[in-house]
Amino acid sequence: NAGVTQTPKFQVLKTGQSMTLQCAQDMNHNSMYWYRQDPGMGLRLIYYSASEGTTDKGEVPNGYNVSRLNKREFSLRLESAAPSQTSVYFCASGRGAQHGYTFGSGTRLTVV
Amino acid sequence: AQSVTQPDIHITVSEGASLELRCNYSYGATPYLFWYVQSPGQGLQLLLKYFSGDTLVQGIKGFEAEFKRSQSSFNLRKPSVHWSDAAEYFCAVGVQGGSYIPTFGRGTSLIVHP
Repeated sequence: NAGVTQTPKFQVLKTGQSMTLQCAQDMNHNSMYWYRQDPGMGLRLIYYSASEGTTDKGEVPNGYNVSRLNKREFSLRLESAAPSQTSVYFCASGRGAQHGYTFGSGTRLTVV
Repeated sequence: AQSVTQPDIHITVSEGASLELRCNYSYGATPYLFWYVQSPGQGLQLLLKYFSGDTLVQGIKGFEAEFKRSQSSFNLRKPSVHWSDAAEYFCAVGVQGGSYIPTFGRGTSLIVHP
């Protein structure tokens, strides 16, 4: 089925470890987004890519990096994980933000 | 700064009852508006959106929302709630003519009693 695929679904990291969250979409969307979701905080934008070859910071970019590998794939990297990065991470894609997004099912990350 | 407020953290309704979830925004320009639903352990799914035109918008799963510019509101409604509607609901608002990246509200958790 068409959609947004995120891997892994669950991950536990130790403080200081690094990891990359993967996201791929097969809907030929130009725009892709990374959000984090914390209890009572809604969704906060980390980074986004309006089109292949471009990336921009969102509301909470500190401690993260992204790569728009091609039109389909948009990865999020934590270079040195901190407990404050414990969260659920969602990738989304869309034809443009004004059209609404298709979300992946999320990655639940715990940093101990 | 732009902001989105969902005043109700939790809403409890009985199955079959009507539902209204509130969303208020603070923007200087013409907004575009969304409602998303998130079932437990899942990603968000777009219920409906308003960009222009008719201010009463129909969405999936029997939901509708009405844009009221004078009240800066975009409330979500359903005439008869089903137990499967129990979920988290998020309002999102963006500004036309800007980067279009919407800001999400903090969500309203809907509990449905049998």
